[in-house]
This record gives sequence, C-alpha cells and structure tokens, in this order.
Amino acid sequence: DTEVTQTPKHLVMGMTNKKSLKCEQHMGHRAMYWYKQKAKKPPELMFVYSYEKLSINESVPSRFSPECPNSSLLNLHLHALQPEDSALYLCASSQESFGGESTDTQYFGPGTRLTVL
Amino acid sequence: AQSVAQPEDQVNVAEGNPLTVKCTYSVSGNPYLFWYVQYPNRGLQFLLKYITGDNLVKGSYGFEAEFNKSQTSFHLKKPSALVSDSALYFCAVRGGSQGNLIFGKGTKLSVKP
Repeated sequence: DTEVTQTPKHLVMGMTNKKSLKCEQHMGHRAMYWYKQKAKKPPELMFVYSYEKLSINESVPSRFSPECPNSSLLNLHLHALQPEDSALYLCASSQESFGGESTDTQYFGPGTRLTVL
Repeated sequence: AQSVAQPEDQVNVAEGNPLTVKCTYSVSGNPYLFWYVQYPNRGLQFLLKYITGDNLVKGSYGFEAEFNKSQTSFHLKKPSALVSDSALYFCAVRGGSQGNLIFGKGTKLSVKP
C-alpha cells in the first residue's frame, strides 16, 4: 500500500482564519514533506520532516506552521494567509530522506486545494 | 546544483502512436532520476525511477524511460499512447542537502483519438 491521505480535499478560508491541513501515511515512512503547487507549475518544497524533526524549512513565511505529532501524521497550520497563498498543497512521504544519496521514492497524497479570499 | 530540464511545454500525440517526453539533467555525483504524472486536480503519481543498472527502466501503466549518460537525458516513452495518458508529466532529480526532489517545469501530454 503506497497511500498518502490528505484532508480536507478543498478548503476556502478568509485572511483572518486559522485552519489546518492534515496528512497521514501508514507505510512506516520516516520522512514527510509539504509542497506548494501553483497551477501548471512544478511543486515547490516547503518543509521536510525526518524522524519527526523538522530538517528543512525552505524560507517559508511564518503564517505556515508545520507540525509532526508522530511518524504517521503531518499537519500544516495556517494563519493570516494571503490570497497569493491559494494553491494545491501536497504532502509526500518516503522511507528516509538522508541527503542526496537517498534513492527512496516519494509518494504523494492527492493534495488540498486551498483558496484564500 | 542538481537540476532537470523539460524542453517541451506540450507534446501532442495521436492515440496508438509512440510517445516521448523529454528530460535532461545536470547533477554532480550519481543521478537519481524520477518520473511522475499528475492528472487534473490530483496529486503526483510515481511512474518510475533510475538509480543504477539497466539504462532502460520499466514503470507503471506501460511507461518506460531510457537513461543516457552521455547525453545526460532520461526520456519517458510509451510504445502506444492512450487518450487516458493525457496529463502533466514531471521529471525530477534527487538532490539537496536532505535528498528532496527537484522538479522540472512539467510537460503537458495531449493524446487525441
């Protein structure tokens, strides 16, 4: 089973709202990722968690706050977003993420389509 | 720095004809290359990867890719295209300090009946 699930599928929020995106995998993977994807563009890496510790934060604004409660779950907390933050947010996982020599495949969830009004 | 390039924004193919989606790479060290497909409003689905060994890699849904070290290419191929293959295809290389994926800009494949 190579399934990564994400909830909700769609989310509409105002600029003053607080919301959370959730991601779950039960493949025993120890690395989890958040990507942001604008229409017809490649995914852009936001955060990487390795063994439940944040290992990469790609200069993402503080209005995005990741959380990894355990090895199967990854959350992305959203607060005071801007309309330009509207995008497809993708979660992915892989067995491990040790450096550029890792050959592990990243498996992606279906994404959450976020619209900020 | 690791990078991949997809020179074509769009590829148009007639159903039943062979298809090729091009990708070239630039890496220091061993290239770990991946192909993903994305259907509208969906996440990315893994198709195949090259790590080492045979230059011809077989993947899901009848796709294969040919690794060519001298031309630094990793083109995606399928002998007979289906209308259902129409989607956005991304080539990616494993890179960065934590092994994250670096994606090409994507190629839209359109297969017409």
